Amino acid sequence: DQQVKQNSPSLSVQEGRISILNCDYTNSMFDYFLWYKKYPAEGPTFLISISSIKDKNEDGRFTVFLNKSAKHLSLHIVPSQPGDSAVYFCAASGNNFNKFYFGSGTKLNVKP
Amino acid sequence: GAGVSQSPSNKVTEKGKDVELRCDPISGHTALYWYRQSLGQGLEFLIYFQGNSAPDKSGLPSDRFSAERTGGSVSTLTIQRTQQEDSAVYLCASSPTHGGNQPQHFGDGTRLSIL
Repeated sequence: DQQVKQNSPSLSVQEGRISILNCDYTNSMFDYFLWYKKYPAEGPTFLISISSIKDKNEDGRFTVFLNKSAKHLSLHIVPSQPGDSAVYFCAASGNNFNKFYFGSGTKLNVKP
Repeated sequence: GAGVSQSPSNKVTEKGKDVELRCDPISGHTALYWYRQSLGQGLEFLIYFQGNSAPDKSGLPSDRFSAERTGGSVSTLTIQRTQQEDSAVYLCASSPTHGGNQPQHFGDGTRLSIL
């Protein structure tokens, strides 16, 4: 059951511009949404999260937006830097869940 | 080290053999998770431990897969009679406690190749 979907396998952005990564989910019971960043041959690292009671969370260059009615969240990176090039996974869970559901990832390439 | 450690980093074995993968979580983390990432796919949940107990084994693909955790620390994932479709990167993660708002700390994974 693919409860979390990332429909764009890849994204290419010019350095300095905005990167927008999207994620859709199907289960309205999710309470928390997280974004992870993964470099090749390394494990994912936590980037930013948002609770379902909020619609925006910002941390430096990274902002996550949540639209519960559309069951959609997005990660904005501004300005994008070459070091941001990685695979980004969104994940969802909740107080009534024992596990996290991950999307299939979006590979971001930031061109110098 | 301070992070989650997994061993081996790479494992190549013949079909039909058993393999054992190890995870050393961050000290003091009570929650431990195993995931599998097949080529081009997302992270597939396998099993979750709270302490030494596994409240959720629902993600284990078949009875060839088993996992245990001892002393609330090290965990091993065992795959018996390996098949080619078991080839994947197996990732372990830990967090201080279990909860949907608890970011997980991942190891670098074990890349398993079944010939």
